[in-house]
Amino acid sequence: DTAVSQTPKYLVTQMGNDKSIKCEQNLGHDTMYWYKQDSKKFLKIMFSYNNKELIINETVPNRFSPKSPDKAHLNLHINSLELGDSAVYFCASSPRGGNYGYTFGSGTRLTVV
Amino acid sequence: GQQVMQIPQYQHVQEGEDFTTYCNSSTTLSNIQWYKQRPGGHPVFLIQLVKSGEVKKQKRLTFQFGEAKKNSSLHITATQTTDVGTYFCAGDFNKFYFGSGTKLNVKP
Repeated sequence: DTAVSQTPKYLVTQMGNDKSIKCEQNLGHDTMYWYKQDSKKFLKIMFSYNNKELIINETVPNRFSPKSPDKAHLNLHINSLELGDSAVYFCASSPRGGNYGYTFGSGTRLTVV
Repeated sequence: GQQVMQIPQYQHVQEGEDFTTYCNSSTTLSNIQWYKQRPGGHPVFLIQLVKSGEVKKQKRLTFQFGEAKKNSSLHITATQTTDVGTYFCAGDFNKFYFGSGTKLNVKP
């Protein structure tokens, strides 16, 4: 069983569209995250939820909206997609606080054309 | 903002050579974590260091945390082609910030 699974794996869409990425973890972790990895491989945290509560909201355009229906799920909705949103988006989870390491999903490669 | 600087950005080695990547922070870290990301893959947690001066080993990998808890290193002895990938440190400033990574290429 995949510990952190995210869908879709690839997403190609036109500028201006709205899209969602879904993430689910079966590890029983309290905290989930969204990270963005750009073409230079920088991993930047976007959001963090602890047991459905938003605890980290980095400087991210408000076109990005996370939603956590329960502690095992964290979805990412993106409105009005722009070319600069093209990147790989990783979902991750950890026991509370991030100690003992993050478990990452396999990533969603988003390409905006 | 909080930053973890990581060097070098790239390292090309011949198989069998050693490799080291370094992480530096301007402020004291609560702890530091190391990850490996294979090409086309996702980051995979390797280890967490918590104590000042801590040294941990995993087979050919040696991880060190500085005495002042502001720097850390990952050393690989006798690299193999399976070591290829990008190695990231992640510093804990009450939340984790990832370094820019060191991309390791190993020539057979």
